[in-house]
Amino acid sequence: ETGVTQTPRHLVMGMTNKKSLKCEQHLGHNAMYWYKQSAKKPLELMFVYNFKEQTENNSVPSRFSPECPNSSHLFLHLHTLQPEDSALYLCASSQLDWDNEQFFGPGTRLTVL
Amino acid sequence: SQQGEEDPQALSIQEGENATMNCSYKTSINNLQWYRQNSGRGLVHLILIRSNEREKHSGRLRVTLDTSKKSSSLLITASRAADTASYFCATAGSQYNQGGKLIFGQGTELSVKP
Repeated sequence: ETGVTQTPRHLVMGMTNKKSLKCEQHLGHNAMYWYKQSAKKPLELMFVYNFKEQTENNSVPSRFSPECPNSSHLFLHLHTLQPEDSALYLCASSQLDWDNEQFFGPGTRLTVL
Repeated sequence: SQQGEEDPQALSIQEGENATMNCSYKTSINNLQWYRQNSGRGLVHLILIRSNEREKHSGRLRVTLDTSKKSSSLLITASRAADTASYFCATAGSQYNQGGKLIFGQGTELSVKP
């Protein structure tokens, strides 16, 4: 256990569905991240939140909508996804300092039909 | 970008042997970190080496950093079947925090056969 939880662990959705991924960190960190991991590709940073404010949007399509209501919770709202969006979505948190060691959740395996 | 590139992409060894993975990057860094990922799971932080350090040890892990060559290596000694996983290097930029961004390499898949 890294202190970062993600739900659900697996999600299958159609292209017209709306769903949300949830991440919660119990480490008192002030930064949270969403990453996408596709087969045979490097980990792609999607969004960064520092002190609940979004500081990075790495050219992510608008069908992915993040929300950070407080420093412990992070959501990724999904709507009208494409099959190529199928991937493992990882949430991470860190304490903003020189080291920025990140702690990852177990991920949500998303399949878009 | 300062994306890390790792080699080999895949490595298969016998239990008890040592495993060495390499990582190269492109721009100046504050630190370089190594993470491990078991299949389909989240990443786990293994070790961090700062730009002013050349070598670091943690248990059976040894990390080296050569900032002049912009490269790092991770050595796992006396490997075990349980070490089978993917290993990623990640670099943190030289400006304070840079918004917390880490740039990950593509990873090395290590398979340790009993």
